[in-house]
Amino acid sequence: NAGVMQNPRHLVRRRGQEARLRCSPMKGHSHVYWYRQLPEEGLKFMVYLQKENIIDESGMPKERFSAEFPKEGPSILRIQQVVRGDSAAYFCASSPDRPSLCRAFFGQGTRLTVV
Amino acid sequence: AQTVTQSQPEMSVQEAETVTLSCTYDTSESDYYLFWYKQPPSRQMILVIRQEAYKQQNATENRFSVNFQKAAKSFSLKISDSQLGDAAMYFCAYRSVTSGSRLTFGEGTQLTVNP
Repeated sequence: NAGVMQNPRHLVRRRGQEARLRCSPMKGHSHVYWYRQLPEEGLKFMVYLQKENIIDESGMPKERFSAEFPKEGPSILRIQQVVRGDSAAYFCASSPDRPSLCRAFFGQGTRLTVV
Repeated sequence: AQTVTQSQPEMSVQEAETVTLSCTYDTSESDYYLFWYKQPPSRQMILVIRQEAYKQQNATENRFSVNFQKAAKSFSLKISDSQLGDAAMYFCAYRSVTSGSRLTFGEGTQLTVNP
């Protein structure tokens, strides 16, 4: 059973470009969480999704950021018109259908660098 | 809102000795989960140990144990017989039973193990 897969591992974008980060949850997991880790800081919750639904996006910036988890395929975190402050490591975690019983499993993260 | 505080940005320990990492949290809930995660230079988030708030017994995983003081809202991690491979950033995290698997992280403690 493969773990949570994130790609790319490293992504470089120029200011103003779009960044698309992908997360494939573990097999059988239908809950996905995105976190952002700024340099020298802890992980901060961004958004919680289930298949085709955004459950909690209270940690998402109001502009330029969006997330989806379609019925088929990976979850996508999309950042439009990136700025230098978006440079960070973005982690995805997934959990099974009964999240209250189990822990979340993390991917290895995508390091976004905006130049 | 829940908050998690790690007051030690850096700690060091001699190989084979014991070190304790501190964590305090703030919540109005009576039932929740607490975790310690390890993040080595590879950036992978690795679960070290978890504690259910309704359990009075402190969790133990081999050389890792916690001191959970619910009334004081304290959750420290003790690493016994420290090994070079224990060197990493350690994050304390809180999870409400009502928020799926969403985690609130502390700012982290960088642990150095000296040979």
